[in-house]
Amino acid sequence: GDSVTQMEGPVTLSEEAFLTINCTYTATGYPSLFWYVQYPGEGLQLLLKATKADDKGSNKGFEATYRKETTSFHLEKGSVQVSDSAVYFCALSRSQGAQKLVFGQGTRLTINP
Amino acid sequence: KAGVTQTPRYLIKTRGQQVTLSCSPISGHRSVSWYQQTPGQGLQFLFEYFSETQRNKGNFPGRFSGRQFSNSRSEMNVSTLELGDSALYLCASSAPGTAYNEQFFGPGTRLTVL
Repeated sequence: GDSVTQMEGPVTLSEEAFLTINCTYTATGYPSLFWYVQYPGEGLQLLLKATKADDKGSNKGFEATYRKETTSFHLEKGSVQVSDSAVYFCALSRSQGAQKLVFGQGTRLTINP
Repeated sequence: KAGVTQTPRYLIKTRGQQVTLSCSPISGHRSVSWYQQTPGQGLQFLFEYFSETQRNKGNFPGRFSGRQFSNSRSEMNVSTLELGDSALYLCASSAPGTAYNEQFFGPGTRLTVL
């Protein structure tokens, strides 16, 4: 079945450091790929998305490129801020008809000033 | 436009009881999906409703059920609660014809089973 694997957390970085959170997926066909972020005590917020190979999603300085050949969708940010501290989830959705997201296990990110 | 709302936000129940959680989607959204979030299992899909019909279902026992009303509001019910049902239950709504399956999540209902 479909699955998403994220790098193990937690990840702790200093402010202004470069961030990479790895995400790989297993799915047939061409799923849509997403990164969601969850701040303490809140639900999930869509951070960025990509719907086809080589698409680059970007938002708030975060970027991720849909790599079909490596089945990956790694999240990157050039300079993180304390406010980026949260849990990040990589997810896929196979079908445009039925709304079902398959999530990775989440990566907790802490940014120290 | 108001976001997805879930009530109640917190709930404490005892084993064997049943519980009903409510979700109001964003105005105009007709699809509502439910997810269970636990530290051990992560985020898992429960089911999705569209136009009052269950369109997709995850791998949960029959104790977990749901329904959707004509105004797109949705409820999920868990009967005969077990300790392992303690979790954050999230609902998400999406608009019809959304090309990218973008779902908007509510803040969740934190269920504790004692």
